[in-house]
Amino acid sequence: TQLLEQSPQFLSIQEGENLTVYCNSSSVFSSLQWYRQEPGEGPVLLVTVVTGGEVKKLKRLTFQFGDARKDSSLHITAAQPGDTGLYLCAGAKNTDKLIFGTGTRLQVFP
Amino acid sequence: NAGVTQTPKFRILKIGQSMTLQCAQDMNHNYMYWYRQDPGMGLKLIYYSVGAGITDKGEVPNGYNVSRSTTEDFPLRLELAAPSQTSVYFCASSTWGNRADYGYTFGSGTRLTVV
Repeated sequence: TQLLEQSPQFLSIQEGENLTVYCNSSSVFSSLQWYRQEPGEGPVLLVTVVTGGEVKKLKRLTFQFGDARKDSSLHITAAQPGDTGLYLCAGAKNTDKLIFGTGTRLQVFP
Repeated sequence: NAGVTQTPKFRILKIGQSMTLQCAQDMNHNYMYWYRQDPGMGLKLIYYSVGAGITDKGEVPNGYNVSRSTTEDFPLRLELAAPSQTSVYFCASSTWGNRADYGYTFGSGTRLTVV
């Protein structure tokens, strides 16, 4: 059973466009993380959000944790080719391992 | 600072052969994990460990074994390789706070092909 569903699954856009990736669940998480994975590499942690309603910004990336701590979004402003990769959300439920989302593959063309 | 080191980076196995995927971390993390990632897919947890001498199954443990004799090392063993085990394998480690505020550090992966 996949507890974290991401949408869209694939996204192909031109440089300079804005985009939003969603991570949804019916379960409550104590915290949620976003990772980016580039081809041939392991995922790299971008951010952790822990409070319902929390918004964090990382340059052109904005992350939001839903008020009920069941969902999250990642918004990229003015996407660049360097943003290309697989984006994974991951939730913690006070156990000893994360639950990873289904992933969103982003391709940004120059 | 090496982080999480996985070896080998690539390997081709014949059906029925065995091998061990090595994973070592130098961050003194208690928690370590093995994932597999099939083409275009997300991560599936194979096994994990919360400390030396303690291991537990993830969602896809069949065909694999692990051991954790030290904090630093967490090898993954494939005993009888099958084509279904063709995948990219990632090892990760974490400090895992009470609120899970600490993210995973991943290795760069081992690409395994079983023919």
